[in-house]
Amino acid sequence: NAGVTQTPKFRILKIGQSMTLQCTQDMNHNYMYWYRQDPGMGLKLIYYSVGAGITDKGEVPNGYNVSRSTTEDFPLRLELAAPSQTSVYFCASSHGTDNEQFFGPGTRLTVL
Amino acid sequence: QKEVEQNSGPLSVPEGAIASLNCTYSDRGSQSFFWYRQYSGKSPELIMFIYSNGDKEDGRFTAQLNKASQYVSLLIRDSQPSDSATYLCAVGQNQAGTALIFGKGTTLSVSS
Repeated sequence: NAGVTQTPKFRILKIGQSMTLQCTQDMNHNYMYWYRQDPGMGLKLIYYSVGAGITDKGEVPNGYNVSRSTTEDFPLRLELAAPSQTSVYFCASSHGTDNEQFFGPGTRLTVL
Repeated sequence: QKEVEQNSGPLSVPEGAIASLNCTYSDRGSQSFFWYRQYSGKSPELIMFIYSNGDKEDGRFTAQLNKASQYVSLLIRDSQPSDSATYLCAVGQNQAGTALIFGKGTTLSVSS
């Protein structure tokens, strides 16, 4: 099993550009999550999904959008990128609500 | 607002010593507790989980849970320089359709 995979690993965006961060898991997990982590800070939940077709906002959803059309994929869309979105983005998945979360390797995004 | 609190550190211990990392949580209904280790530039990885009051041991790691005091700790015996990392405490909300709540993490530095 590859676990949770994320692409790209690194990306530099200009202010106002858009992009999609890809996340795929092959563990047949129902729950998937997107976090951002700023330097020296903890994880902040952006969006999460409890199954295909269902998404919910986390702590910091503004400026982001998600969709969940399949169990495996949970892409994160950034519209009109801003410098405040410079961060490391982690995707994670779990079997259920209070189960261990498995993390992907992360995407390091810089907005200039 | 449910919260998970950790001392950000850094916690500095000499090689071979016991490192004690602490975490308090606000939701008395929480039933599942996790400790993740995150090396600089890497994604979080699970070290231990604990569901019942008392101690749970796994090699050099011991997780301790006291639900009455809403307190969970991680002890690392015979600390090694390779244990130098940030340790994240995560708490389940015991409610379907919710995500784990992560603390901001404690940075541990083990000197040789």
